[in-house]
Amino acid sequence: EVQLVESGGGLAQPGGSLRLSCAASGFTFRSYEMNWVRQAPGKGLEWVSYITYGGDTIYYADSVKGRFTVSRDNAKNSLYLQMNSLRAEDTAVYYCAREDGYIEAFDYWGQGTLVTVSS
Amino acid sequence: DIQMTQSPSSLSASVGDRVTITCRASQTINTYLNWYQQKPRKAPKLLIYGASSLQTGVPSRFSGSGSGTDFTLTISSLQPEDFAIYYCHQSYSNPWTFGRGTNVEIK
Repeated sequence: EVQLVESGGGLAQPGGSLRLSCAASGFTFRSYEMNWVRQAPGKGLEWVSYITYGGDTIYYADSVKGRFTVSRDNAKNSLYLQMNSLRAEDTAVYYCAREDGYIEAFDYWGQGTLVTVSS
Repeated sequence: DIQMTQSPSSLSASVGDRVTITCRASQTINTYLNWYQQKPRKAPKLLIYGASSLQTGVPSRFSGSGSGTDFTLTISSLQPEDFAIYYCHQSYSNPWTFGRGTNVEIK
């Protein structure tokens, strides 16, 4: 069974940092592109970041570019999102999502981890 | 960036109704259009990919159509478990973008 489990969310102060993790199981992690998608309270979905199988190609939304860094450790079946210079508008549930390259869609999602940025 | 415009933003319907949600892209995206369902406090679930292909395990009352810029998600006979928010998503070009969602409520 495919499972994606996020962790690392919590309360951070404006300007602070957090590191999210996504533990993958039930599939060959190194064979899939991965994404982070966030959802602010009561709002819609916003794509945040993308990383290819080996981490050689990475994309970011303009809203997080220069502040967030995505990475992966295929040996540990894990995806990460380092979030620096956090702002109030980064408050959201953060989901990791597996991308099936054949269908170009996010076919599995984690349960999400809540990040709250507040003083 | 490609803007995805969904309509309506919300609708009220009864069990058994036929429901149609539309999504328009600001430029052509061929058939790189996906639909997700999200229930309260849950992660989104993929329903339709490639504009019209049903994801494994999704009931056949869900269908998708369209290409280019205009797309439709149809629920042929609404069931109680279908009350949720539905999002379209383009995977044609970076940055991937989502519609703002359609909230399907019980009438």
